Amino acid sequence: DGGITQSPKYLFRKEGQNVTLSCEQNLNHDAMYWYRQDPGQGLRLIYYSQIVNDFQKGDIAEGYSVSREKKESFPLTVTSAQKNPTAFYLCASSIAPESSGYTFGSGTRLTVV
Amino acid sequence: QQPVQSPQAVILREGEDAVINCSSSKALYSVHWYRQKHGEAPVFLMILLKGGEQKGHDKISASFNEKKQQSSLYLTASQLSYSGTYFCGTESLDSGGGADGLTFGKGTHLIIQP
Repeated sequence: DGGITQSPKYLFRKEGQNVTLSCEQNLNHDAMYWYRQDPGQGLRLIYYSQIVNDFQKGDIAEGYSVSREKKESFPLTVTSAQKNPTAFYLCASSIAPESSGYTFGSGTRLTVV
Repeated sequence: QQPVQSPQAVILREGEDAVINCSSSKALYSVHWYRQKHGEAPVFLMILLKGGEQKGHDKISASFNEKKQQSSLYLTASQLSYSGTYFCGTESLDSGGGADGLTFGKGTHLIIQP
């Protein structure tokens, strides 16, 4: 079955460490997105990519980095510069963002310990 | 700019109807609706692109007003499975309909009681 796989499901990070969240899709979608979800805040856009080897900052990109070396993969790195990284992170993709919906992964819950 | 959703929360009995609104201060290119169960991924419900459009499936439908600044989601004869948080996601006309990412509202919590 086609879909988006995020791993790990739960991740614990010590302060000062960088961590990388994985997002893989086998839907052959060009566009991929990373969102952060905090209680009561909705989903906020971190980074997005419309095509391989190209990506743009979203509304809250500070302290995060991404790469898009392959169409099916869009990993997100949470750096030590992100002051409040504890959140639920969702990856999404879309085949035709201007006319069709997003498919979301099951998310990674990151906690700073 | 983040769209405004209302109400923030709704509690219904099975079989009752609900309306969830999503408003923007600017005209939009599109409105998406998603439902999210606790701890799970949001699930796409529908997208509206045209002013005055209405669409739906089963007992869940939505409308997009003529000015393309407000959308409403209608849940008719609600079922227990409708419980969750509903989000609208919008794309502004400024983006020209490109893949620049949706801006989501803060969500509406819907609780259906037996």
